[in-house]
Amino acid sequence: GDSVTQMEGPVTLSEEAFLTINCTYTATGYPSLFWYVQYPGEGLQLLLKATKADDKGSNKGFEATYRKETTSFHLEKGSVQVSDSAVYFCALSEAGRRALTFGSGTRLQVQP
Amino acid sequence: EPEVTQTPSHQVTQMGQEVILRCVPISNHLYFYWYRQILGQKVEFLVSFYNNEISEKSEIFDDQFSVERPDGSNFTLKIRSTKLEDSAMYFCASSRSEISTDTQYFGPGTRLTVL
Repeated sequence: GDSVTQMEGPVTLSEEAFLTINCTYTATGYPSLFWYVQYPGEGLQLLLKATKADDKGSNKGFEATYRKETTSFHLEKGSVQVSDSAVYFCALSEAGRRALTFGSGTRLQVQP
Repeated sequence: EPEVTQTPSHQVTQMGQEVILRCVPISNHLYFYWYRQILGQKVEFLVSFYNNEISEKSEIFDDQFSVERPDGSNFTLKIRSTKLEDSAMYFCASSRSEISTDTQYFGPGTRLTVL
């Protein structure tokens, strides 16, 4: 079945550092890919998405590119802020389906 | 900005009891979902619901579970006879349209503890 693998956390960075959170997936067909973020005490919020190969999703300075050849969707941000501290989830949905398959989540801690 | 709300935020119940978790999706949304996250594990899809019927469900969503939209605003998940392993955070979500990649908006979750 489908699966999503994320790098283990927590990831601890200083403010203004470069962020990469790795995500790889296994799926049949051509899934859509998502990054969700969960701030403390809140629900999951969509951060960005990409629905086909080579698409780049971007939002709030975060970017991720759908790489079919490496089955990856790594999340990047050039300069993190303390307010980016949260848990980040990579997810996919199979073509035509709505059920999201999530990775295990990566906690990001940004220190001032 | 509209948001999905869930009640209660924390529910404690005895094994074998029935529980109903409640959600109010965003008002003009058409699709509704339940997910759960057992402590330390991944968020898992349970069920999606459209036009008053289940459109997808996972293997987890067995006969112990049911969903209902009892009125125009609420969406509920019922667990008939809770087990210890049902202890988890349950998230409700909704999306606006029939497009499968449409954004799912999540509620803050209900933490269910089964004793």
